[in-house]
Amino acid sequence: ELKVEQNPLFLSMQEGKNYTIYCNYSTTSDRLYWYRQDPGKSLESLFVLLSNGAVKQEGRLMASLDTKARLSTLHITAAVHDLSATYFCAVDGGLTGNQFYFGTGTSLTVIP
Amino acid sequence: NAGVMQNPRHLVRRRGQEARLRCSPVKGHSHVYWYRQLPEEGLKFMVYLQKENIIDESGMPKERFSAEFPKEGPSILRIQQVVRGDSAAYFCASSIGKNTEAFFGQGTRLTVV
Repeated sequence: ELKVEQNPLFLSMQEGKNYTIYCNYSTTSDRLYWYRQDPGKSLESLFVLLSNGAVKQEGRLMASLDTKARLSTLHITAAVHDLSATYFCAVDGGLTGNQFYFGTGTSLTVIP
Repeated sequence: NAGVMQNPRHLVRRRGQEARLRCSPVKGHSHVYWYRQLPEEGLKFMVYLQKENIIDESGMPKERFSAEFPKEGPSILRIQQVVRGDSAAYFCASSIGKNTEAFFGQGTRLTVV
């Protein structure tokens, strides 16, 4: 079974600081997704990375994908309180499509 | 433009009762997926359906759980004879096709008492 590991699991950071969340996965996949989840809410799609070397940026978040290393990163620049949430990466590992394997999530708290 | 609609948002059932969770996909989407999220964990794939067909049910428990996506109407995830361990958030997602971006509903939070 495809395994997806995220680290760190918990991240507490001060406003204005930078940090990176890592997502490693165990088998070949060309599609990786990043989602944000607020407490009690659904998942909000942040990024879809479809090829090796893909880099996407939206506001203070930037995601990248290295399919050879089976690694994706989510970089946070100059964090603000509104970014506090749980972030999940997911890899499409199903032969039949869209059988996402989710990481355990990174719970981010941005402290003023 | 309605997204994926799930109902109910919250469902409380006593042990032994049946739970029915409904999911209406994004208009035009014919692929539906169900995921379960236990507290403090990531989402776990349960089943993938395309209109009237189960494509992949490798994540479904072998007993008490079933899913359908009829030609007309929402997809239904049915849990018979619920037990406390079934308490979780159940998310539905839909996509326009295979290997395309999936959009998630707001989930149904099932509590078994």
